[in-house]
Amino acid sequence: DTGVSQDPRHKITKRGQNVTFRCDPISEHNRLYWYRQTLGQGPEFLTYFQNEAQLEKSRLLSDRFSAERPKGSFSTLEIQRTEQGDSAMYLCASSLGQGNGNTIYFGEGSWLTVV
Amino acid sequence: SQQGEEDPQALSIQEGENATMNCSYKTSINNLQWYRQNSGRGLVHLILIRSNEREKHSGRLRVTLDTSKKSSSLLITASRAADTASYFCASVPTDSWGKLQFGAGTQVVVTP
Repeated sequence: DTGVSQDPRHKITKRGQNVTFRCDPISEHNRLYWYRQTLGQGPEFLTYFQNEAQLEKSRLLSDRFSAERPKGSFSTLEIQRTEQGDSAMYLCASSLGQGNGNTIYFGEGSWLTVV
Repeated sequence: SQQGEEDPQALSIQEGENATMNCSYKTSINNLQWYRQNSGRGLVHLILIRSNEREKHSGRLRVTLDTSKKSSSLLITASRAADTASYFCASVPTDSWGKLQFGAGTQVVVTP
């Protein structure tokens, strides 16, 4: 069990540029989640997948944000035309199944700074 | 916006003391999970308590859940300097398995 892996860990980009984050979940975990966290706040839900299907998206996820999980394994989160307000840590998590006792494991996060 | 609340927002204690933090949530839940986060790092899972459980232990951690009051507490006994971190509770609503609802967290500082 290598844990949830996220790449890159840090990204600095200029406003207006596109950025993409990758997440590799724990092997065999069929559920994958994206959250966003700003300083001093708890994580906020963005979206989640069961296998390759995107089951729910937050209203926070504007049309500049898109997430994919093409083969039900790794996932990418792309932010187009970045804005300074997008600066945050983007957290990926994964879990197995749906029962009421499934632990959701988080990765180390990807820090985004938009300058 | 945050969907839960932790209390207190910050807690400063000395090594060996116990730390207690509380969490409230708003909707019916399937389970509630507690996490620890060191500065600038990801979240580390501590303990999960199901909606039909009232208390759970794991090492120096004790979690309680009161679904009638929509609240939970986390007790860390015999705290250590390494326990310095932010602690978050996250509820899993019955109407959305994937949408963990976090509060703003409790920042705990343990001084040697």
